[in-house]
Amino acid sequence: QVQLQQSGPELVKPGASVKISCKASGYAFSSSWMNWVKQRPGQGLEWIGRIYPGDGDTNYNGKFKGKATLTADKSSSTAYMQLSSLTSVDSAVYFCARKWDYGSSWYFDVWGAGTTVTVSS
Amino acid sequence: DIQMTQTTSSLSASLGDRVTISCSASQGISNYLNWYQQKPDGTVKLLIYYTSSLHSGVPSRFSGSGSGTDYSLTISNLEPEDIATYYCQQYSKLPYTFGGGTKLEIK
Repeated sequence: QVQLQQSGPELVKPGASVKISCKASGYAFSSSWMNWVKQRPGQGLEWIGRIYPGDGDTNYNGKFKGKATLTADKSSSTAYMQLSSLTSVDSAVYFCARKWDYGSSWYFDVWGAGTTVTVSS
Repeated sequence: DIQMTQTTSSLSASLGDRVTISCSASQGISNYLNWYQQKPDGTVKLLIYYTSSLHSGVPSRFSGSGSGTDYSLTISNLEPEDIATYYCQQYSKLPYTFGGGTKLEIK
């Protein structure tokens, strides 16, 4: 079945960068947009951006431009998100989610379990 | 950006109740509205897409409605496994935006 396997928790120092991964299985990785969503502790969901693995095309939420960089490796069916210049506000759970198109509709039909990033000295 | 507002951040209901969760958009979104459920363990699942279409495998006690800027999710006959936080999400325009969530608890 379709699955998204995310990498494990990260503890990183302020000012550093971190790269988290999302390995897809059970579908044609190159043909669906992969999205990333942020959730701070006790807060709601915030869309960071998306990447189309087939050609590397990306779109970002303006709030995360310069903070997040999305890439994808078709050979391993893995999407990556690098977060740079980390501060305490970047401490959050980060989800990857597949976008699925159905006629004129679309939705995030499969979600990863989330990767917890903690920024602390 | 389109702002999505869920005015009720938490609500308490009894098993068997009918519950309605509301969501409003800062501008018309042409029914491009999805609903997601996040369980206490963090797991996120799609419930409803395009305002009122039930996602595969989702129990029929979940339903969605709305138009223009105002949308709602209804759970009829509340069951224990429905304890979760519910988010609306618009996909009319980038950036996609979510409501702040409504946490449902059992009374």
